[in-house]
Amino acid sequence: DVQMTQSPSNLAASPGESVSINCKASKSISKYLAWYQQKPGKANKLLIYSGSTLQSGTPSRFSGSGSGTDFTLTIRNLEPEDFGLYYCQQHNEYPPTFGAGTKLELK
Amino acid sequence: EVQLVETGGGLVQPGRSLKLSCVASGFTFNNYWMSWTRQAPGKGLEWVASITNSGGSTYYPDSVKGRFTISRDNAQNTLYLQMNSLRSEDTATYYCTREKQLRYWYFDFWGPGTMVTVSS
Repeated sequence: DVQMTQSPSNLAASPGESVSINCKASKSISKYLAWYQQKPGKANKLLIYSGSTLQSGTPSRFSGSGSGTDFTLTIRNLEPEDFGLYYCQQHNEYPPTFGAGTKLELK
Repeated sequence: EVQLVETGGGLVQPGRSLKLSCVASGFTFNNYWMSWTRQAPGKGLEWVASITNSGGSTYYPDSVKGRFTISRDNAQNTLYLQMNSLRSEDTATYYCTREKQLRYWYFDFWGPGTMVTVSS
């Protein structure tokens, strides 16, 4: 199975700042990476798939980049509703596998 | 609006069985593959099972293969997960997820989840 490693595990930032979350695959997954947001009391939300394609409804301050083994989720001009957990997931091969998550906290 | 609502979670003893249900609405259920994904307390996400839109094929990771069975009733817009021989490590919140395929699977809509606790 493809192992997905996210970094950092925790990240503290203030509204208005920009942050980046990294995801590294144990082997090449081409461009096939998804990003999800998890917040207490809300359903998990798909943000990005295929590395950089924004899911309908994802604000444009979110962007994804990368290919092969290294990927980045960037959030520009943080809004208060952006704080929560973020997970990456490879959809290049079977079985689908997730990273361990990055907690984005308010500084 | 796409909605997925899971039910059936609860406390169950090791070795016993439990069946989860997920009622879907807001989309044409029989057009989509569906999945279950789980999250142990304080841990990350783990894909558990997938089923094709017709229900003709199913897929599982090794961790649950032979113990869990995914099924669906397209007439009732309902997805199921039959869990047998439950272990403490199956304790998790179980999410019903709608699948999309690009190469392989990602999950574009999630339910709020139902908690399963396996303990004596």
